[in-house]
Amino acid sequence: DIQMTQSPSTLSASVGDRVTITCRASQDVTLWLAWYQQKPGKAPKLLIYKASTLQNGVPSRFSGSGSGTEFTLTISNLQPDDFATYYCHQYDTYRTFGQGTKVEVK
Amino acid sequence: QITLKESGPTLVEPTQTLTLTCTFSGFSLSTSGMGVAWIRQPPGKALDWLALIYWDDDKRYSPSLKSRLTITKDTPKNQVVLTVTNMDPVDTATYHCAHISGDVLDYWGQGTLVTVSS
Repeated sequence: DIQMTQSPSTLSASVGDRVTITCRASQDVTLWLAWYQQKPGKAPKLLIYKASTLQNGVPSRFSGSGSGTEFTLTISNLQPDDFATYYCHQYDTYRTFGQGTKVEVK
Repeated sequence: QITLKESGPTLVEPTQTLTLTCTFSGFSLSTSGMGVAWIRQPPGKALDWLALIYWDDDKRYSPSLKSRLTITKDTPKNQVVLTVTNMDPVDTATYHCAHISGDVLDYWGQGTLVTVSS
């Protein structure tokens, strides 16, 4: 199985901050990496797919980068609506999610 | 507009078989490239992919749970069914289904909480 490791597990930030979350894969997943945002009691929402392609309707302050085994999700100018848990997800071989990164109010 | 909704029992006893149905609209599993996946999330924990099925009946299962899972589709009814055998309290989770397009899980159902307890 491909293991996905996110860091940090929790991130404390303020509105207006630039936030970066890292996701590492245990083996090469090329560009087959997506990012999701989840709020309590809600379904995950697709933000980015194919490592850096922004899903329709997602604000441009979200961006993704990386390839192979290392990926990042960046939120520039953090907004109140962005406090949530973020998951990376590889869809190269079977499918695996990271353990999540909670972005909380500092 | 693509929507998905999960249905099934909210409580199952240990060793029983769980059967969940995903009923969807806005797409057809007769269309090339389409698929449906199941993902679960134990309370307070991370997402865990279980299984998926494509329009051509190609099926994939989580290697760690493969022996307990079966996924099927009923294309005319716009439904996908997941069965999980030999349920255990550790299987307590919210079970989501999701639409697949271009291999991406782009639309998700709200999920259904299944508790395993005697």
